[in-house]
Amino acid sequence: KNEVEQSPQNLTAQEGEFITINCSYSVGISALHWLQQHPGGGIVSLFMLSSGKKKHGRLIATINIQEKHSSLHITASHPRDSAVYICALDSNTGNQFYFGTGTSLTVIP
Amino acid sequence: EPEVTQTPSHQVTQMGQEVILRCVPISNHLYFYWYRQILGQKVEFLVSFYNNEISEKSEIFDDQFSVERPDGSNFTLKIRSTKLEDSAMYFCASSDGSGTGAGYTFGSGTRLTVV
Repeated sequence: KNEVEQSPQNLTAQEGEFITINCSYSVGISALHWLQQHPGGGIVSLFMLSSGKKKHGRLIATINIQEKHSSLHITASHPRDSAVYICALDSNTGNQFYFGTGTSLTVIP
Repeated sequence: EPEVTQTPSHQVTQMGQEVILRCVPISNHLYFYWYRQILGQKVEFLVSFYNNEISEKSEIFDDQFSVERPDGSNFTLKIRSTKLEDSAMYFCASSDGSGTGAGYTFGSGTRLTVV
């Protein structure tokens, strides 16, 4: 069973396009994270959310706790945004962490 | 910007050998984590550590694994008798536990290859 489902699995976009990556989950959470994994393997934490919306530069993350759904949006996408974006959960039962399988984004110039 | 440092970046070891993966978390962080990612698979949680003890561990973190904070700065993951299936990228992360900012800071990972 997958506690975290991401969609789409793969996404190709033209430079400048608005991108949305979705994350649905089935467990109670204390926080949801969006991570970016570069082609070289390194992981960067983009957002930690427990409610509402956060914005950082061209990135926006939203969460709807009632619907157990989060979205990551990238405005004016750029080839350097090409990476795998991972949704990860801090469960509110104990200290369990769940990771999505990631969305592989390729932005074409 | 503060960083989480992991060493070595790549380690090759023979099956059955012990390995120690090292991490230097951000100095004012209190919570430390190890994750692994087998090639082509998703990231998996191994263990979390707070106040000098394990606070949570996954089913993967069995008796062959141990963690230690031997001094005020290092946080290590030891694998006692490595198996081929332990080959993976191992990530260390730390957080201040405040729930602010982006939450966690990840190290750049150690790629472990067991031959």
